[in-house]
Amino acid sequence: AQSVTQPDIHITVSEGASLELRCNYSYGATPYLFWYVQSPGQGLQLLLKYFSGDTLVQGIKGFEAEFKRSQSSFNLRKPSVHWSDAAEYFCALPLSGGTSYGKLTFGQGTILTVHP
Amino acid sequence: DTGVSQDPRHKITKRGQNVTFRCDPISEHNRLYWYRQTLGQGPEFLTYFQNEAQLEKSRLLSDRFSAERPKGSFSTLEIQRTEQGDSAMYLCASSLARVSGPEQFFGPGTRLTVL
Repeated sequence: AQSVTQPDIHITVSEGASLELRCNYSYGATPYLFWYVQSPGQGLQLLLKYFSGDTLVQGIKGFEAEFKRSQSSFNLRKPSVHWSDAAEYFCALPLSGGTSYGKLTFGQGTILTVHP
Repeated sequence: DTGVSQDPRHKITKRGQNVTFRCDPISEHNRLYWYRQTLGQGPEFLTYFQNEAQLEKSRLLSDRFSAERPKGSFSTLEIQRTEQGDSAMYLCASSLARVSGPEQFFGPGTRLTVL
């Protein structure tokens, strides 16, 4: 079955420190993968996407993610975290085929807290 | 260019009442999705439309839920005889089905509280 797992429910980092949020997927072929960010009480904003090609993808707000097929992972990284990055982050996988085409399966999310 | 909009942003209702939410997608997008998100969880798929056709409904969508997308533009999600378990954030997203796995753009959501 196609699924996404985010092993870390809550991560705390200091402002200026580096960040890595983990995402593992289960999928039978090369997947498409997304990272979304959600501020409290708000909708989801797309940070970056992987469709094919370069395995290191750049997104908005200084984020990047690396697709590693051998590890079934798509981890999100940022070299220096800002206080405004505090939010919840979701990794998502669009399903393909049949009538389910395109619907997203989300991980359970990782809450990021940033200490000053 | 306007993004996906949802109305209302917040809705408080009493158990047993009916509620209706509206979603206006990005204008050229032909796919529209509804998701539900409860506290501490990722969004869960409810249903989706391609143009005006409703192509799939999740098992989460009981017969008290109905969604429409007349004329393939805006969509409404109605919940009849609301229950406390319906309290959640209801998210709408739209996409343009040109290539496999296109990204979806989300609205701000409607927060439903059932008392």
